[in-house]
Amino acid sequence: GNSVTQMEGPVTLSEEAFLTINCTYTATGYPSLFWYVQYPGEGLQLLLKATKADDKGSNKGFEATYRKETTSFHLEKGSVQVSDSAVYFCALSGVNFNKFYFGSGTKLNVKP
Amino acid sequence: DVKVTQSSRYLVKRTGEKVFLECVQDMDHENMFWYRQDPGLGLRLIYFSYDVKMKEKGDIPEGYSVSREKKERFSLILESASTNQTSMYLCASGTSAREQFFGPGTRLTVL
Repeated sequence: GNSVTQMEGPVTLSEEAFLTINCTYTATGYPSLFWYVQYPGEGLQLLLKATKADDKGSNKGFEATYRKETTSFHLEKGSVQVSDSAVYFCALSGVNFNKFYFGSGTKLNVKP
Repeated sequence: DVKVTQSSRYLVKRTGEKVFLECVQDMDHENMFWYRQDPGLGLRLIYFSYDVKMKEKGDIPEGYSVSREKKERFSLILESASTNQTSMYLCASGTSAREQFFGPGTRLTVL
C-alpha cells in the first residue's frame, strides 16, 4: 500500500540555519510527491512538488528531490527565517491524483 | 487563484446534535475531499467525491456522511456528534491531473 513517513518534530532552529526535514514513502507504481505547508490558523498550501524520479521541486528557497532509489523526498532550505515557522506535510498521490496520502506533519519553530 | 471556502472557521456543538460542514470551490474541480486533522496523526481522509452524487469512503468514514448535489459544493455531515469528533476539518478540491487545494479549515468542538 501507500504511506508516507516523516520525521517527528518539533524542529527548532535559529534564523539563517540550514533546514532538513526527512520524508520517505512506500508506494505502488510511480507516485507524485508533494510538500505542503500549514501556517498557524490556516489550511494547507502547496509548497512544491515533483512528478517523476530525479525531479527537483523548488519554491521560496525550499527544495526537494524525488529519489526513487531511496524512496525519499527530503525538504531542505539553506537559510530559514522566522516567517518559515509552520507545520510541513509530505504527501504522495497515485497516478490519477485522486487520492493523497499525508505524513503526520513536522512542526518547525524558527527563533530570531 | 483557486479558492476553497468552508462555511465556518470555528463551531461549537453539543453531543448528539446533527452537524453540517459546507465546502465550496470555484475552479470546476471534479474531485473533492474531507479530512480531519488531529495532533500527531496528520491528515486522515474521511470521504471523497469524484463527481456529482458520487462518493467514496476514505480511511475513517464511521460516524460521518457526505453529500454532493452540485459540482462546486461538498458537505460533511455528522449525524450525531460525539466528543471524539472534536477536531480540525479540512476540505480540499482537485482534478485528476494536479495537486489538491485546501480550504482554511473548520475547528469543531463537541461538548
